[in-house]
Amino acid sequence: ETGVTQTPRHLVMGMTNKKSLKCEQHLGHNAMYWYKQSAKKPLELMFVYNFKEQTENNSVPSRFSPECPNSSHLFLHLHTLQPEDSALYLCASSLVTGGADTQYFGPGTRLTVL
Amino acid sequence: AQKITQTQPGMFVQEKEAVTLDCTYDTSDPSYGLFWYKQPSSGEMIFLIYQGSYDQQNATEGRYSLNFQKARKSANLVISASQLGDSAMYFCAMSPRGIQGAQKLVFGQGTRLTINP
Repeated sequence: ETGVTQTPRHLVMGMTNKKSLKCEQHLGHNAMYWYKQSAKKPLELMFVYNFKEQTENNSVPSRFSPECPNSSHLFLHLHTLQPEDSALYLCASSLVTGGADTQYFGPGTRLTVL
Repeated sequence: AQKITQTQPGMFVQEKEAVTLDCTYDTSDPSYGLFWYKQPSSGEMIFLIYQGSYDQQNATEGRYSLNFQKARKSANLVISASQLGDSAMYFCAMSPRGIQGAQKLVFGQGTRLTINP
């Protein structure tokens, strides 16, 4: 595997389900990100992890729970979601250099909440 | 706070023509980076090109070039000799430089580019 991978690619879940999204980066990066992309909206940053430590939580509801066990893996645990949470969830990673670091994205998980 | 504005919701271009996608930005950061990403219908966000605010020359990457005009706060993407495979959403984004730790990328609304045969 190369680059940034995400599983699953598609997910349909009910409002009472619990599911997890997984992201893995094979680029040797030390920062990882979760973004949400809803229809007709710009990408919204959800969470940032730098060296496994969460450095940003962009006022995300608690029904989204991130986990970063190491600098290569990032999870997004989902529970009791709402239909408005249906969106494309994108994971990204970057190498923190002190400059404007390029973020590389995975293919995304398209989530539908029924 | 940083803000990116892309004023073209959609553009239609004939194959082999050049196309310019507009991007203006607003920031109070003294040093920053500007990025362009391509998002095909499959969903993946593909990095295309980067321009640093203190770079003396405009960035180029194959058929992509960035027309950076700092005084006007614009960073337009130019695609030369467009191809059918260039049909996608294009996003302009920016982040600060020189700040410790991972940085946030702020994205514009995007421009949907359609290349006609």
